[in-house]
Amino acid sequence: EEQLVQSGAEVKKPGESLKISCKGSEFMFTSYWIGWVRQMPGKGLEWMGIIHPGDSDTKYSPSFQGQVTISADKSTSTVYLQWSSLKASDTAMYYCARRGSSWLVWGQGTLVTVSS
Amino acid sequence: QSALTQPASVSGSPGQSITISCTGTRSDVGGYNYVSWFQQHPGKAPKLMIYDVTTRPSGVSNRFSGSKSGNTASLTISGLQAEDEADYYCSSFRISSSLNWVFGGGTKLTVL
Repeated sequence: EEQLVQSGAEVKKPGESLKISCKGSEFMFTSYWIGWVRQMPGKGLEWMGIIHPGDSDTKYSPSFQGQVTISADKSTSTVYLQWSSLKASDTAMYYCARRGSSWLVWGQGTLVTVSS
Repeated sequence: QSALTQPASVSGSPGQSITISCTGTRSDVGGYNYVSWFQQHPGKAPKLMIYDVTTRPSGVSNRFSGSKSGNTASLTISGLQAEDEADYYCSSFRISSSLNWVFGGGTKLTVL
């Protein structure tokens, strides 16, 4: 079964760095775009950015440009989302999703809590 | 990037039909047939219900259908069931120099 498996929940303090992951399996990882989606508590879905692991072509939403970094490791079929200095407002659920002919395959989500 | 416009909430009784709208512009909904609809139950990941405006993925009930007219896409759910109560989000391709995808603000469906 084609799937994306995300890393576990994180609890961090403001100012700390963080890198969460999304690992693909049972499909040709380098042939698809992988996107990251933020969902703040009680709020809607927001596209953050997408990456093509085949050539690391990356596009960011203007709202997230410069705030996060998306990267990929083809050798491990893993895409990453990282922050260099977390803020309380980064507290949210983060999902990864795969674009083939559609955004069909989604990860289970990673809850990031940033609190002092 | 401004989100696509959806009603905040809709409701219907079991067995009825409801329609959720998703309004954009010629740069997104109106210009491309890449509108998707996602269902999200509390605490769960989004689930793709419709893509490319009208196409249902394998396993999605045929009670769910999509359409588009001009800059507005619509999701119709017929024969409402209690399990349909969830949040629904549209998403569209958008011509842009940066990220080419945008969501709607989401619609809470209540089955009365």
